[in-house]
Amino acid sequence: AQKVTQAQTEISVVEKEDVTLDCVYETRDTTYYLFWYKQPPSGELVFLIRRNSFDEQNEISGRYSWNFQKSTSSFNFTITASQVVDSAVYFCALLNAGGTSYGKLTFGQGTILTVHP
Amino acid sequence: EAGVAQSPRYKIIEKRQSVAFWCNPISGHATLYWYQQILGQGPKLLIQFQNNGVVDDSQLPKDRFSAERLKGVDSTLKIQPAKLEDSAVYLCASSLRLAESYEQYFGPGTRLTVT
Repeated sequence: AQKVTQAQTEISVVEKEDVTLDCVYETRDTTYYLFWYKQPPSGELVFLIRRNSFDEQNEISGRYSWNFQKSTSSFNFTITASQVVDSAVYFCALLNAGGTSYGKLTFGQGTILTVHP
Repeated sequence: EAGVAQSPRYKIIEKRQSVAFWCNPISGHATLYWYQQILGQGPKLLIQFQNNGVVDDSQLPKDRFSAERLKGVDSTLKIQPAKLEDSAVYLCASSLRLAESYEQYFGPGTRLTVT
């Protein structure tokens, strides 16, 4: 069975602070994909990044960066110099590429990020 | 390119009533998903279609929930009769194919309140 754990339920920061959202996953598959989604107050899930299990290179996109460590089954997300517009719920998700869960996204419970001006 | 469309956006019903949600996926997307997102939780997959066939409905409460995807395009999700615990946002998503590398695109959701 697969599981995604986001230990931080809520994080509150002041604008321009850096913030890291933690994600730990469990899966028995060797081939899988990890995702981060953003859910603003409007409710729509916005895709941020996808990583496959064979690619452990860290990725940076503007103020966003992701650290994938297979050894600790973690896929953490850092926002540098946070802005008020970053306030949202962020979800980490796991998609298995085989077995009976093929193509199924398993989400963590989400982290509510509030960035204060 | 138009995104995933859902309607209605909001629905309030009394328990034991029935309700239906509609989803129109992105044009050309073969795979369609319905998720249930209870307040404070991540989305949970209810049912997954590939064209008009069901791939996975293991988490669909089949005694009260049903879904169909006629002609492999639009889909409807129905609840009959509704219970209080069905209050949630129902998200529809679509992807190009049932392949792991294709990300899922989500619609805005339907917020259901059962009183």
